[in-house]
Amino acid sequence: DVKVTQSSRYLVKRTGEKVFLECVQDMDHENMFWYRQDPGLGLRLIYFSYDVKMKEKGDIPEGYSVSREKKERFSLILESASTNQTSMYLCASSLSSDSHTGNTIYFGEGSWLTVV
Amino acid sequence: AQTVTQSQPEMSVQEAETVTLSCTYDTSENNYYLFWYKQPPSRQMILVIRQEAYKQQNATENRFSVNFQKAAKSFSLKISDSQLGDTAMYFCAFMKLYTGNQFYFGTGTSLTVIP
Repeated sequence: DVKVTQSSRYLVKRTGEKVFLECVQDMDHENMFWYRQDPGLGLRLIYFSYDVKMKEKGDIPEGYSVSREKKERFSLILESASTNQTSMYLCASSLSSDSHTGNTIYFGEGSWLTVV
Repeated sequence: AQTVTQSQPEMSVQEAETVTLSCTYDTSENNYYLFWYKQPPSRQMILVIRQEAYKQQNATENRFSVNFQKAAKSFSLKISDSQLGDTAMYFCAFMKLYTGNQFYFGTGTSLTVIP
């Protein structure tokens, strides 16, 4: 089974702190994603990466950055956390779109971030 | 841009009954995938069912089936013989091919199965 692991389930940070959310997948997937989930808004894509050191902005990249130094790891960085970034963050991965059998996205358990 | 619309924020169903969750989407693409994902209260998002747009036959997975109407851009999920474990948030999702696997999600439908 595919396993996507998010290092922290629950975090509480102060406004202005730099926050790192880590995600690791164990299935050699090319694509990795960071989503934010808020009630009534569904999942919104923050950033995605289709290869090591490659990154693309999603729908709501402002206030976030990402890092992908190794294929299995994709980090989300909040440079200066703000209260409006309090949310559930979901990491996900998938095979490349060249693989018809791999067109499924797999999610981690999520990280609840509270910024106070 | 692709959009996915789930017009039912909340639904409930009696145990053992059948329920249908609605989803519509907007795209100019011809080749794509559609998905239903389930997120139980434990928050792990898992795949329920997947449909390739080029396949006319509706996908089925045990008690879960879809009604895929490509011309109408509709993709509803039917859950038969509902069980308490089906209580969850359900998300409809769309994926274009050959664009780095970008997925687009609806806002979700919260389903409660009543004993």
